Amino acid sequence: DAMVIQNPRYQVTQFGKPVTLSCSQTLNHNVMYWYQQKSSQAPKLLFHYYDKDFNNEADTPDNFQSRRPNTSFCFLDIRSPGLGDAAMYLCATHKGAALGDYGYTFGSGTRLTVV
Amino acid sequence: GNSVTQMEGPVTLSEEAFLTINCTYTATGYPSLFWYVQYPGEGLQLLLKATKADDKGSNKGFEATYRKETTSFHLEKGSVQVSDSAVYFCALLPGTDKLIFGTGTRLQVFP
Repeated sequence: DAMVIQNPRYQVTQFGKPVTLSCSQTLNHNVMYWYQQKSSQAPKLLFHYYDKDFNNEADTPDNFQSRRPNTSFCFLDIRSPGLGDAAMYLCATHKGAALGDYGYTFGSGTRLTVV
Repeated sequence: GNSVTQMEGPVTLSEEAFLTINCTYTATGYPSLFWYVQYPGEGLQLLLKATKADDKGSNKGFEATYRKETTSFHLEKGSVQVSDSAVYFCALLPGTDKLIFGTGTRLQVFP
C-alpha cells in the first residue's frame, strides 16, 4: 500500500548529540512536511518542501534543519537537541495539486526522547 | 486570518452514547475541512473530509457536515465504542498548502 513511513518509531538521543529522523513516501506527492507535536498539543509545522523548494516557518529554531534529496525521502536533522525538543515528530505529504480536494497523509511519527 | 476552534476536552462518554465534538472555523474563500484522529502513540489518520458547503463527510460511523452559514464542521457519531477513544483534530485547508489545526479534543469512552 502507498504510504508515508517514518523511521525509527522511537529515538533516544543524548543532550547535544545530533540526530536525524527520516521519512519516506510511496505516494509520489510533491509536498512533504515536518511537524513537531508536544504532549496534549496540536501539531506545529516546522517546515515543508514543495518539490525541491524549502519553506521554513518563521518561528522554527535554527537548530532544526531538513533535507529532501529526492521526491521519496525527507530528513529532519536536529543539530543539538535540547530537553525541550523531546516530542513526537510527524511527517506528512500532500499532492500539491487540486488543493483542497485532498487531505494530508501522515506517517506514524517518531517519538524523540532526549536524555 | 484563518483559524479553527474546537471544544475543549476531555469528552467522557459511556459506550453506545451519542458523540458531538464542536468545530467552528474562520477562513477567507472556500476552504476544505477535515477531521483527523490520533490514537495513543500514533500519527494522525484522516477520518473524513468535506470540500464544499453542504458536503457531508462520513467514515466508520462518524459524520460531519460543512455548514458555511454557521462556519461549522461538527463531528458526530450515533454510538461510540471504547475503541473510539483518541484525540480528534478538526482542520482546514484554506486554499494554500498549509493545513491549520484546531487544538484537539480528547475522547474517552468507558464500557
